Amino acid sequence: SQTIHQWPATLVQPVGSPLSLECTVEGTSNPNLYWYRQAAGRGLQLLFYSVGIGQISSEVPQNLSASRPQDRQFILSSKKLLLSDSGFYLCAWSPLLRELNSPLHFGNGTRLTVT
Amino acid sequence: AQKITQTQPGMFVQEKEAVTLDCTYDTSDPSYGLFWYKQPSSGEMIFLIYQGSYDQQNATEGRYSLNFQKARKSANLVISASQLGDSAMYFCAMRAAGNKLTFGGGTRVLVKP
Repeated sequence: SQTIHQWPATLVQPVGSPLSLECTVEGTSNPNLYWYRQAAGRGLQLLFYSVGIGQISSEVPQNLSASRPQDRQFILSSKKLLLSDSGFYLCAWSPLLRELNSPLHFGNGTRLTVT
Repeated sequence: AQKITQTQPGMFVQEKEAVTLDCTYDTSDPSYGLFWYKQPSSGEMIFLIYQGSYDQQNATEGRYSLNFQKARKSANLVISASQLGDSAMYFCAMRAAGNKLTFGGGTRVLVKP
């Protein structure tokens, strides 16, 4: 069975510090990978998605970046965090096949607080 | 562009009663999929139910059913026989051309004993 791991679960970082959130998927190959952000009490905003190694699409211009160094690894980074980067970050995967009925499967999320 | 609208920010429901969560969508793509997710206070996103744009029948999964009205572009979730564990945020989402899932703003459900 497929599993998705995301860490850390919580993170408190000062403004201006770097960020690295990691997500890995097991039990599948060539997944589509996604990073979403959720502000408190709000819906999910798509930040990045990837259909393959080194292939990253950015949805929202910001000071965040994403990388996919391996097939089942997706990393969210920032060189200098802003207060507005605080939120709940969720990684997700779906099968590569572009089937509309494939749900996204989410990790447990990282709660980031920038102080 | 795709858009999902959930107009109910929060709802109370009595235990064992049914509740309907509203969702309207907008897309120009003829083929699309509609999803509902549950997010408990722990934060995880739990997939509940799926409805395809060409499906003739409304989707059902246990106590969850989807009232799909294509002409009205609505995909309301019905939870029957509510349980205390149903208290959570519920999100409607749509997937059309491409790989992206677009979410609505969510509805918070609180089940009262």
